[in-house]
Amino acid sequence: RKEVEQDPGPFNVPEGATVAFNCTYSNSASQSFFWYRQDCRKEPKLLMSVYSSGNEDGRFTAQLNRASQYISLLIRDSKLSDSATYLCVLQADSNYQLIWGAGTKLIIKP
Amino acid sequence: NAGVTQTPKFQVLKTGQSMTLQCAQDMNHNSMYWYRQDPGMGLRLIYYSASEGTTDKGEVPNGYNVSRLNKREFSLRLESAAPSQTSVYFCASSDRTGRWPQHFGDGTRLSIL
Repeated sequence: RKEVEQDPGPFNVPEGATVAFNCTYSNSASQSFFWYRQDCRKEPKLLMSVYSSGNEDGRFTAQLNRASQYISLLIRDSKLSDSATYLCVLQADSNYQLIWGAGTKLIIKP
Repeated sequence: NAGVTQTPKFQVLKTGQSMTLQCAQDMNHNSMYWYRQDPGMGLRLIYYSASEGTTDKGEVPNGYNVSRLNKREFSLRLESAAPSQTSVYFCASSDRTGRWPQHFGDGTRLSIL
């Protein structure tokens, strides 16, 4: 089983809709979690960290479910500019290494 | 404010050739990283440098070497390129290792024929 698993998509969503996708992880000792965004042929950029209590940044909400070992990302009122690949990332232990999911591709259609 | 700068952006090599990918950051970050990204896979860490003067292997170090030249610069060298090293290479930096946000360069698209 992969350490981090994401549905590759693509998720095709009309503009203005709400979309959510999950990321499951296998290491229960994982400590820190993040969502990065990557546009086509560009570098990844940090979207938001994921906190145990859940956190919100504008239209974006991230949740962590330790019991079921997944994190989620909810995007409300989606915009065309939200089209990108969303990468789930976690830090497995106190060491340096971040573990990256392969990403979920999101396409927002007008 | 350049952030993380990688050169070159594109390169085509023949099997067995060598080359060095350059990376520099101007954010005064302590930690720097080299990743490769292949289709359908997450980023995989090749090498990292937690601080100036130190380097350590990541998940996929074979076939690569690195040099942390100073606090700003971290280079990746392919001594004898192989087709399996065809990939997109990203350099990143962060204030510290681990949970600190990583800032990425634009990437180098490398093809080995």
